[in-house]
Amino acid sequence: GAVVSQHPSRVICKSGTSVKIECRSLDFQATTMFWYRQFPKQSLMLMATSNEGSKATYEQGVEKDKFLINHASLTLSTLTVTSAHPEDSSFYICSAPEGFTEAFFGQGTRLTVV
Amino acid sequence: GQNIDQPTEMTATEGAIVQINCTYQTSGFNGLFWYQQHAGEAPTFLSYNVLDGLEEKGRFSSFLSRSKGYSYLLLKELQMKDSASYLCAVQNYGGSQGNLIFGKGTKLSVKP
Repeated sequence: GAVVSQHPSRVICKSGTSVKIECRSLDFQATTMFWYRQFPKQSLMLMATSNEGSKATYEQGVEKDKFLINHASLTLSTLTVTSAHPEDSSFYICSAPEGFTEAFFGQGTRLTVV
Repeated sequence: GQNIDQPTEMTATEGAIVQINCTYQTSGFNGLFWYQQHAGEAPTFLSYNVLDGLEEKGRFSSFLSRSKGYSYLLLKELQMKDSASYLCAVQNYGGSQGNLIFGKGTKLSVKP
């Protein structure tokens, strides 16, 4: 089946630094990828929709200057958390739809900002 | 608005059957998904329903009633490894293809 690879799986960074998370579709092309965030004991919340070759679409309340998304190819989308703060510590997950009936998820990235 | 409700927690016994319910109210509907999520891991796909009725896949079955805005996930012959959170998600056709609105998840604990 289709595979989405997300890297890194865990990252610890200092407050004020930036962190880049990569999401790759390994055996299919994804013109669209989605970035979610999940705080402990809460639901997955959509942050933004990444579109290959164009600007990402951000959900209400998500700062586009803080969460930079780049979708430069049909198999790679990146999320950069700029000037990270402890409140950005969360579980970030990407997903890519294949066809109309499935959305495949990356493994997730556990970000801890200290 | 968008609203997806499912119970917060459930407990069941190994070997038994458990039904996890999900009700939804969304501005659009293009299908309902069930995912399994173990702590600290990404969700994994279990089932997809877009038409009314029951979809069976091994020990897991999922049911949908669009007129009632209702779905359930049925797990049979429970195993300890089934202890996880089960997420109900609706694909909102008003959004981009594949955009999913998730419920808060039901944490299932399977006991010996």
